[in-house]
Amino acid sequence: DIQMTQSPSSLSASVGDRVTITCRASQGISNYLAWYQQKSGKVPKLVIYGASTLQSGVPSRFSGSGSGTDFALTISSLQPEDVAIYYCQKYNSAPFTFGPGTKVDIK
Amino acid sequence: QVQVVESGGGVVQPGRSLRLSCEASGFTFSSFAIHWVRQAPGKGLEWVAVASNDGNNKYYSDSVKGRFTISRDNSKNTLYLQMNSLRVEDTAVYYCARVAVAAWSQPFDIWGQGTMVTVSS
Repeated sequence: DIQMTQSPSSLSASVGDRVTITCRASQGISNYLAWYQQKSGKVPKLVIYGASTLQSGVPSRFSGSGSGTDFALTISSLQPEDVAIYYCQKYNSAPFTFGPGTKVDIK
Repeated sequence: QVQVVESGGGVVQPGRSLRLSCEASGFTFSSFAIHWVRQAPGKGLEWVAVASNDGNNKYYSDSVKGRFTISRDNSKNTLYLQMNSLRVEDTAVYYCARVAVAAWSQPFDIWGQGTMVTVSS
């Protein structure tokens, strides 16, 4: 099975900073990569799909990139409401594995 | 509105069984694959199982294969997860999640609020 890894596991940045989280698949998954945001005590929310397509209603400061095995989620200007854990997920085929998550905090 | 609502969680002893339900509304249930995802307390998301729109194709994570069974009743707009031989490590919030588009390889855009399953003696 394909394994998903993320780095860093956590980060702390200032409001307005540019933040990048990376996700790596152990084998190529084309662009079948999604990013989810989960705020504390809340349900996961789809942020990016197809590696780089912004889900409707998600602020444009979020962007995604990558293809194959290496992917990134970037927040161009971190806002207090972006504090959350971010998960990547492969969805090309079963198992639909999630990455371990990256916790984003405000410094 | 488009939503899925889980039910059936609770406290159960190790080795016992539990059945979760996920009732959908606001969309054509029979057109969409639906997944189960779980989250142990303080841990990350773990994909559990999926049933295709017609229920004919089902896949499971290795951690539940042989113990859990996913099924659906499209006449009732409901997805089920029969969980047998429960273990302490199955303790988690169980979410059902709909795929974004009526096709197989799609991200999950609609999530329920989850139902808590606690396996404890």
